[in-house]
Amino acid sequence: DAKTTQPTSMDCAEGRAANLPCNHSTISGNEYVYWYRQIHSQGPQYIIHGLKNNETNEMASLIITEDRKSSTLILPHATLRDTAVYYCIVRVESNQFYFGTGTSLTVIP
Amino acid sequence: DTAVSQTPKYLVTQMGNDKSIKCEQNLGHDTMYWYKQDSKKFLKIMFSYNNKELIINETVPNRFSPKSPDKAHLNLHINSLELGDSAVYFCASSQRFGGEQFFGPGTRLTVL
Repeated sequence: DAKTTQPTSMDCAEGRAANLPCNHSTISGNEYVYWYRQIHSQGPQYIIHGLKNNETNEMASLIITEDRKSSTLILPHATLRDTAVYYCIVRVESNQFYFGTGTSLTVIP
Repeated sequence: DTAVSQTPKYLVTQMGNDKSIKCEQNLGHDTMYWYKQDSKKFLKIMFSYNNKELIINETVPNRFSPKSPDKAHLNLHINSLELGDSAVYFCASSQRFGGEQFFGPGTRLTVL
């Protein structure tokens, strides 16, 4: 059901930028890309979303390629508290969210 | 203040029993959802309610019945519990259907 593919796991050094890739090659023109994260079995937490343009908020930046077939979530200065599973989601035209398997990010001291 | 709350946090029960999980949101949102996260951590949408009307039912067995007494509450009732129902159930809400979702802390259901 998920329209996205992500690496299973990644490591990042504390203080460095974490770049999490996502492929969504079958995305349609008006389908949004959303990012959520889940810290240690807590409820998922919204991070950011976008359609075509790059987006930035207090948590992260979202870079979407021009053809919209992939995107990258950037955490500019990763901290230990950013260790979590990060989900890249395409919100389909019916407004449903399909979560994939996500990327388990480990921030290393 | 807790935005989306669920009770109970843990629920352990025997096969064949009937149980309910309650969810409340104090965000004034119009839409609420139920998700199931299985042991492999795969998160799957079950139901969505918009202004007290069901708008998604993702081929969930009819043993599961959502009930929304008002816009702030969406409860999940499960009949004849089975071993495969063991999972973490998350409630969520959004201001409108398809918008940013706020999730509750989850209810861990264990069926013995």
